[in-house]
Amino acid sequence: EPEVTQTPSHQVTQMGQEVILRCVPISNHLYFYWYRQILGQKVEFLVSFYNNEISEKSEIFDDQFSVERPDGSNFTLKIRSTKLEDSAMYFCATRGMNTEAFFGQGTRLTVV
Amino acid sequence: SQQGEEDPQALSIQEGENATMNCSYKTSINNLQWYRQNSGRGLVHLILIRSNEREKHSGRLRVTLDTSKKSSSLLITASRAADTASYFCATDEKTGKLIFGQGTTLQVKP
Repeated sequence: EPEVTQTPSHQVTQMGQEVILRCVPISNHLYFYWYRQILGQKVEFLVSFYNNEISEKSEIFDDQFSVERPDGSNFTLKIRSTKLEDSAMYFCATRGMNTEAFFGQGTRLTVV
Repeated sequence: SQQGEEDPQALSIQEGENATMNCSYKTSINNLQWYRQNSGRGLVHLILIRSNEREKHSGRLRVTLDTSKKSSSLLITASRAADTASYFCATDEKTGKLIFGQGTTLQVKP
């Protein structure tokens, strides 16, 4: 069964450092998403990406966040200057047109 | 605004009983999806129901959708201890993004 792969599974970083979270989507999928889940809370939408550009973003997705698909395969989320409150699970999801989303196993980001 | 609010927030039942979770939403949708999440793991898609469908079955899962009331329910019949997890509804908005509710934490006691 096709799957979405995220790396790393766990990242520990110093406050103020930049982190890049990576996702390999399912081939032929058109829509790409990043979500985050703070421990014990709900899954929050960050950004959606379609046709090589951001199609929608939430208020959480401020200037310290960016996404790109640098080589046409990997889909990355960059956090430029991490804060303690960025500690969370970050999930990548991909989907085709009007289908269910497939989620990766997530990256646990711990900012210390 | 909040979309996809689940009810109850937590549910504890005995193995063999049925579990029902409800979800309400606010905006127009293309479809509504239910996902399951085991603790600390990724979300697994369970079932998708389109806006023109009223009921859908998949194994022990039964999902209903009432677009007039903007609500959906997920029924798990004959529950098992392995069904213990958090269950989320997600509304597929016409913009293409999925918005998740707070989730229902289900505990099935053996």
